[in-house]
Amino acid sequence: DGGITQSPKYLFRKEGQNVTLSCEQNLNHDAMYWYRQDPGQGLRLIYYSQIVNDFQKGDIAEGYSVSREKKESFPLTVTSAQKNPTAFYLCASSTNRGGEPQHFGDGTRLSIL
Amino acid sequence: GQNIDQPTEMTATEGAIVQINCTYQTSGFNGLFWYQQHAGEAPTFLSYNVLDGLEEKGRFSSFLSRSKGYSYLLLKELQMKDSASYLCAVKEAGNNRKLIWGLGTSLAVNP
Repeated sequence: DGGITQSPKYLFRKEGQNVTLSCEQNLNHDAMYWYRQDPGQGLRLIYYSQIVNDFQKGDIAEGYSVSREKKESFPLTVTSAQKNPTAFYLCASSTNRGGEPQHFGDGTRLSIL
Repeated sequence: GQNIDQPTEMTATEGAIVQINCTYQTSGFNGLFWYQQHAGEAPTFLSYNVLDGLEEKGRFSSFLSRSKGYSYLLLKELQMKDSASYLCAVKEAGNNRKLIWGLGTSLAVNP
């Protein structure tokens, strides 16, 4: 079955540490996205990529970095510059056709130790 | 500016009908999506509207009026499992594929 896999499901970070969240899709989608969701809040876009080797900042990119070296993979690094990283992180992908929805992975919940 | 408004919370009774409204003001319009999100889980796609009118999918229907910047999601024959957050998202016009997301409406279905 095709889908989006995020790992790990739960992640703990120490102060001053960088961590990388994995996102892999086998849907052959060109576009991939990273969102952050805080309790009681909507989805906020961190970074997105419409094609391999290209990505754009979303609304809250500070303290995060991404790469898109392969179509299937869009890892997100939460750097030590992100002062409030505790959140639920969601990865999504979509085709570039107009009415196609974004499909989401199961998410990674990041907490600070 | 860009803005999407949804009620924060709604309550309904099992077996009833509920309508969740969404109004939007965005820079161009290229479609509106509704998603369902259960607590602690990822959003799942429910419906897409790009033209005015009603789209029906089983117990769920979604309506769009582009001139009014308005959409609603209609849930019929409510079940306990419909208790979730319902997210409205608008796709901007142009080449970028970004969605503008509402904060979601938390629906509680009571027996």
